[in-house]
Amino acid sequence: QVQLQESGPGLVKPSETLSLTCTVSGGSISSYYWSWIRQPPGKGLEWIGYIYYSGSTNYNPSLKSRVTISVDTSKNQFSLKLSSVTAADTAVYYCARDRMVVTPGSWYFDLWGRGTLVTVSS
Amino acid sequence: SYELTQPPSVSVSPGQTARITCSGDALPKQYAYWYQQKPGQAPVLVIYKDSERPSGIPERFSGSSSGTTGTLTISGVQAEDEADYYCQSADSSGTYVVFGGGTKLTVL
Repeated sequence: QVQLQESGPGLVKPSETLSLTCTVSGGSISSYYWSWIRQPPGKGLEWIGYIYYSGSTNYNPSLKSRVTISVDTSKNQFSLKLSSVTAADTAVYYCARDRMVVTPGSWYFDLWGRGTLVTVSS
Repeated sequence: SYELTQPPSVSVSPGQTARITCSGDALPKQYAYWYQQKPGQAPVLVIYKDSERPSGIPERFSGSSSGTTGTLTISGVQAEDEADYYCQSADSSGTYVVFGGGTKLTVL
């Protein structure tokens, strides 16, 4: 079965760039949309953005100026970069598979990785 | 920005019915989706497109939507259903998605 696994540094300094990778195993990254979602400790979920296997992206307006999501189909991976991080970006970061709903135009997440905690601290 | 509103907590005794609501202005136009999250685990989809249940999700989980409110209903609640539940939907134009603040279900 398809599985997702997040990887990357667990500690990032303030003002630097957070970088994470999600590896898709047991299936192809093609023909799906893929998202990053985060959850600060003890708080709720926040969608960060998605990427299609072709490379098209859509970002949360509140994070758009700092987010870049990219895809490497040859490695079956997609990645997140979040720039100029502060303590408010400390969270568990999840990657997830999106299922698109054409009408009325929305999407949801049917498969999630286990998540990785990223702490922003000097 | 668009927001979905959930009650912070709901408590029920085993065997009773739990109802968790989610309010949002775009819900008459957009579907509601529901996730269950247990401590230290990733969320799991339990309802999609207002009332559809993914394979492997027990029949006691059901969903409905009316006007600006979506509802997750858990019939015959079991101790294992104790968890945080999040609703999710899209803004009216389908540009981005948001999650509700989450509801902690306590099984007494």
